[in-house]
Amino acid sequence: QKEVEQDPGPLSVPEGAIVSLNCTYSNSAFQYFMWYRQYSRKGPELLMYTYSSGNKEDGRFTAQVDKSSKYISLFIRDSQPSDSATYLCAMYSGNTPLVFGKGTRLSVIA
Amino acid sequence: DGGITQSPKYLFRKEGQNVTLSCEQNLNHDAMYWYRQDPGQGLRLIYYSQIVNDFQKGDIAEGYSVSREKKESFPLTVTSAQKNPTAFYLCASSMGDLLDLFPYGYTFGSGTRLTVV
Repeated sequence: QKEVEQDPGPLSVPEGAIVSLNCTYSNSAFQYFMWYRQYSRKGPELLMYTYSSGNKEDGRFTAQVDKSSKYISLFIRDSQPSDSATYLCAMYSGNTPLVFGKGTRLSVIA
Repeated sequence: DGGITQSPKYLFRKEGQNVTLSCEQNLNHDAMYWYRQDPGQGLRLIYYSQIVNDFQKGDIAEGYSVSREKKESFPLTVTSAQKNPTAFYLCASSMGDLLDLFPYGYTFGSGTRLTVV
């Protein structure tokens, strides 16, 4: 079993939809969680970060962590065509490099 | 502007040839990383360095080599021993060592696409 599992999609939604992106993980030592957004042929950029369990909101984006289920989510409200990108979850325990999911490719159709 | 510069953007390698990918940062970051990205595979760690003149192998180091002679620079050489080098290579840096990754994470470069011809 891979340390981090993420459905690669592709996921296609109409403009204005609520998008849910998810990752599961197996390493219970992970306690720091991040979401990166990567546009085509570009490097990823940090979108959201959370520590341990709970929710964090930033504008149209909400990151959620459920450590008991080893499950993290990123919600995008009122999705826009400019949100079309690949979304990568990343996590780490505190003393190793980040471990990334495979990324989910999202298309928001106008 | 501070950032990470990867060059070249596109690189073509002949069979049996070594090639070097450049990565330079002016963020004064201590740690630097190389990842390989293949379709459907996500980001896989090749090498990382937390300090000048020191580096560690990642999950897929075979066929690759690195050096860290200056804080700003972390070049990656893809050797002829790497049998399937065609991929998108990403360089990243972080402010401190591995204990300080949160909350800033990595800053990534724009990548180098390497193709074997």
